[in-house]
Amino acid sequence: SQQGEEDPQALSIQEGENATMNCSYKTSINNLQWYRQNSGRGLVHLILIRSNEREKHSGRLRVTLDTSKKSSSLLITASRAADTASYFCATGNSGNTPLVFGKGTRLSVIA
Amino acid sequence: SQTIHQWPATLVQPVGSPLSLECTVEGTSNPNLYWYRQAAGRGLQLLFYSVGIGQISSEVPQNLSASRPQDRQFILSSKKLLLSDSGFYLCAWRGLAEGETQYFGPGTRLLVL
Repeated sequence: SQQGEEDPQALSIQEGENATMNCSYKTSINNLQWYRQNSGRGLVHLILIRSNEREKHSGRLRVTLDTSKKSSSLLITASRAADTASYFCATGNSGNTPLVFGKGTRLSVIA
Repeated sequence: SQTIHQWPATLVQPVGSPLSLECTVEGTSNPNLYWYRQAAGRGLQLLFYSVGIGQISSEVPQNLSASRPQDRQFILSSKKLLLSDSGFYLCAWRGLAEGETQYFGPGTRLLVL
């Protein structure tokens, strides 16, 4: 079963605007990761945040994690048309337990 | 550097025919390996994962099977395909040295007619 649930399912914005996607999960985690998938391609890892971290930055990406609310958000600032893709959150635990992926948010950035 | 290969890229098969999808990883040793399926516009469903040669964990009961005959080779098979087996199949790996990140292959699009 899927643990992460992204919200919204689809998001359409103008180039230059910020895009915010949210992820909620149900059980305790060791880390939460965000991945990007261009249409018809494999997933690409964007950023990982550990359960003892609250915020992390990577370029135009900002991820927050609130373990008390079991939620995370991904903010893409100054979006570009090339950011158009599906974005997935995935929750992870220690050891060999596989990541559990959500259903994803489809982001469309209009030039 | 590590790379992951999947083939074929696209496959059209009749109902009832067999299936064999192959995934290989280069540049790492003893990786965890994963097979996912993604229906059109949907999320990823974990099908199988393996932590070593000959070790397969099945997440979803169905007419698919997986095998790991070599350290860096993961094969997804079926004896008789169903229409519902259509989808986008993704292989991924994770290495101890690389932490918790999973790295995905380019995927195989399977259409069962």
